[in-house]
Amino acid sequence: GAGVSQTPSNKVTEKGKYVELRCDPISGHTALYWYRQSLGQGPEFLIYFQGTGAADDSGLPNDRFFAVRPEGSVSTLKIQRTERGDSAVYLCASSFQAGVGDEQFFGPGTRLTVL
Amino acid sequence: KNEVEQSPQNLTAQEGEFITINCSYSVGISALHWLQQHPGGGIVSLFMLSSGKKKHGRLIATINIQEKHSSLHITASHPRDSAVYICAVKKWETSGSRLTFGEGTQLTVNP
Repeated sequence: GAGVSQTPSNKVTEKGKYVELRCDPISGHTALYWYRQSLGQGPEFLIYFQGTGAADDSGLPNDRFFAVRPEGSVSTLKIQRTERGDSAVYLCASSFQAGVGDEQFFGPGTRLTVL
Repeated sequence: KNEVEQSPQNLTAQEGEFITINCSYSVGISALHWLQQHPGGGIVSLFMLSSGKKKHGRLIATINIQEKHSSLHITASHPRDSAVYICAVKKWETSGSRLTFGEGTQLTVNP
């Protein structure tokens, strides 16, 4: 009965490096969401998956950001050539399906710091 | 101007006080969520509303669709209620269940 898990919980990297952030949704949840939360702000939408496909990636800020969910379960958010402005908490959420009445369950987040 | 605005940004109360946090939105929505975020980042869903009022324990959430406004009330507040409370909406025109968030209200309840 595990909830949404995210690894690592903290990641410190240097400007220009590549990072991968992992999200394990609740088993059986078909929809998976990535959000980014900067300090003192509310979360902002990045991308959402329905199954294996990215149904909406309109929130990805630029082409340095990419996410995959190859088997419809675990998802990886990938950031190339990291910049200091990428520092934030990256939140993952999952829901049984992507619909109006569906509750999202959030993971604890990965705090990314780019030095 | 943000599509979802919360007030106040910060709120300090004494234990036992009745607390109200407000959320106004400027877009058409199909649902509104109230979320609680504790230090360390974990977010918990408190309520999901599309009309009327919901109650869970000491928490009450109301929504007025015509006025595009929602309130979260906490009765008999307690220090363990200290957290950031976030209002989020599901916009009609967006896909799936993606949410648009307010900036949150930092609540501190002193003993």
